[in-house]
Amino acid sequence: DAGVIQSPRHEVTEMGQEVTLRCKPISGHNSLFWYRQTMMRGLELLIYFNNNVPIDDSGMPEDRFSAKMPNASFSTLKIQPSEPRDSAVYFCASAQLGYQPQHFGDGTRLSIL
Amino acid sequence: GQQVMQIPQYQHVQEGEDFTTYCNSSTTLSNIQWYKQRPGGHPVFLIQLVKSGEVKKQKRLTFQFGEAKKNSSLHITATQTTDVGTYFCAREGGTSYGKLTFGQGTILTVHP
Repeated sequence: DAGVIQSPRHEVTEMGQEVTLRCKPISGHNSLFWYRQTMMRGLELLIYFNNNVPIDDSGMPEDRFSAKMPNASFSTLKIQPSEPRDSAVYFCASAQLGYQPQHFGDGTRLSIL
Repeated sequence: GQQVMQIPQYQHVQEGEDFTTYCNSSTTLSNIQWYKQRPGGHPVFLIQLVKSGEVKKQKRLTFQFGEAKKNSSLHITATQTTDVGTYFCAREGGTSYGKLTFGQGTILTVHP
């Protein structure tokens, strides 16, 4: 079975640019989660979806961040405009339902110069 | 609130020594999950505990859920270099169904 697939694996861009991170959840999973991981703040939940509907976006740091899930097999996290403090590893995870174990993708290592 | 505190933050052991990390909550937990993240990798689910006083074993790993369901522990017997990584506990987020809140993690290094 293919796991959660994220792209790109690495992204280096200059501040002010738009960044789009992509995620394909495991087929059959109906919960999708976006996390950000930094040394200072640990693993933070940004937003999650159930059945393609955003349920809790309280972790989204500010309006520069937006996330969409147009269908069950695809989600995007967009940062516009990007800032150096957005540099982090962004993980996408999916789960079959609710509190079932979450399966993480390999992450996107984002560096904003 | 909905936080879980993990201790210690770091643990350095010699290969063959035992290791324990603790997860504590001020409120009762309905369940607790444990994940492991290897250096440069992503979190990988290890186990979920649900019942008060539950103990589960996976080879050299022993997981416990406290009687009051406010704490949990992960114990590794006779550590190996392959045990290196960060161990996270995670609890339900409370008001939002399906949301997990992760502890800060315990970083384990094992010296050969």
